[in-house]
Amino acid sequence: NAGVTQTPKFRVLKTGQSMTLLCAQDMNHEYMYWYRQDPGMGLRLIHYSVGEGTTAKGEVPDGYNVSRLKKQNFLLGLESAAPSQTSVYFCASSYDWDRAVDTGELFFGEGSRLTVL
Amino acid sequence: AQSVTQLGSHVSVSEGALVLLRCNYSSSVPPYLFWYVQYPNQGLQLLLKYTSAATLVKGINGFEAEFKKSETSFHLTKPSAHMSDAAEYFCAVRSGTYKYIFGTGTRLKVLA
Repeated sequence: NAGVTQTPKFRVLKTGQSMTLLCAQDMNHEYMYWYRQDPGMGLRLIHYSVGEGTTAKGEVPDGYNVSRLKKQNFLLGLESAAPSQTSVYFCASSYDWDRAVDTGELFFGEGSRLTVL
Repeated sequence: AQSVTQLGSHVSVSEGALVLLRCNYSSSVPPYLFWYVQYPNQGLQLLLKYTSAATLVKGINGFEAEFKKSETSFHLTKPSAHMSDAAEYFCAVRSGTYKYIFGTGTRLKVLA
């Protein structure tokens, strides 16, 4: 059982380049999230999705786009990378809280470290 | 709106000593609270969670946390620190329908 898998794990970009981070989960979770982690700032939510075909903005969405064409995949795109987007990106997923037997624990991938020069 | 405050971005303890990591929350509704642990170069994994069933919650690796409504706190403790406990710890509260609010994290260092 792979859980949540992120690709790539490392990437270096030049300012203005574009890229896509892929997140895949095999737990049939409804909810998926993209966070960025920066020193001293904890995790900040970029975008999230509550089901296939739906996406919504988090607290720091500017400069990012997402898509959830398939339930198991959640893509994070950077159209024109900036140095301020240098960060570690985490994907997470969880069950539908309304129908869950527990409280919606988040399951995390191992992270994607992005450097923008 | 919900929020989480972790006091102390860095905590050092000696091996075998008590571990105490502080978390205070703000919530207008009964909260769901979580502690996650992050080992170097890894993702976050759940340590324990409070779901209103019991105020003292036991988690993995000997950690526990006590929910105190009057103090709006959910501090994480472990009686005896081990070198393998060195990691970053995050407190989180479930916010609204789909979101979580994370604290800024506390990095635990265990001294031999």
